[in-house]
Amino acid sequence: DAKTTQPTSMDCAEGRAANLPCNHSTISGNEYVYWYRQIHSQGPQYIIHGLKNNETNEMASLIITEDRKSSTLILPHATLRDTAVYYCIVRVAGPGANSKLTFGKGITLSVRP
Amino acid sequence: GAVVSQHPSRVICKSGTSVKIECRSLDFQATTMFWYRQFPKQSLMLMATSNEGSKATYEQGVEKDKFLINHASLTLSTLTVTSAHPEDSSFYICSASRLSSGTQYFGPGTRLTVL
Repeated sequence: DAKTTQPTSMDCAEGRAANLPCNHSTISGNEYVYWYRQIHSQGPQYIIHGLKNNETNEMASLIITEDRKSSTLILPHATLRDTAVYYCIVRVAGPGANSKLTFGKGITLSVRP
Repeated sequence: GAVVSQHPSRVICKSGTSVKIECRSLDFQATTMFWYRQFPKQSLMLMATSNEGSKATYEQGVEKDKFLINHASLTLSTLTVTSAHPEDSSFYICSASRLSSGTQYFGPGTRLTVL
């Protein structure tokens, strides 16, 4: 799997949008961008994934640049419960895919009141 | 949907005993499940990949005879830590790969403390 780089940490004010960047300059054409988050002492939670088009679900939006070398996870209205470590991971995916996830250090998002 | 459970959530055992951890995908089938370990202030490290009906594939440095993995059905995988020692104390997390999408969903984790 291609590697990703993320800032170590960032913070944002409650109610504001949190924009979490991720660089994946060596991503392959068949690799998806996945985002997970881990709240302290819990298992990681799946957030969203995409290949090349922007994606949105009830949790977040994922913006992938046209060259696919970077992406941004957007939490539109951050709450205190969004404080967590966010992991950006690239992997081959699709139905039946069983490729492993390689976790980096992620970015620690702190949402302040 | 896409719920993965683990049991137990927390276990404390004496050194030398064996501990079994169960991982279940509750509302989907998973031909592949994964086992991770996480030490304090560190990221998740993959231990092994478990495929239903076949032998698990272990990552380099993980002892297959110490960490026994069984994946007998499309919804259940078990990890047995044999002859546990204090250095095995860690947070063990499983994930299940949803057959229809390939997306991995994680269990809540099991905190193992070996005295």
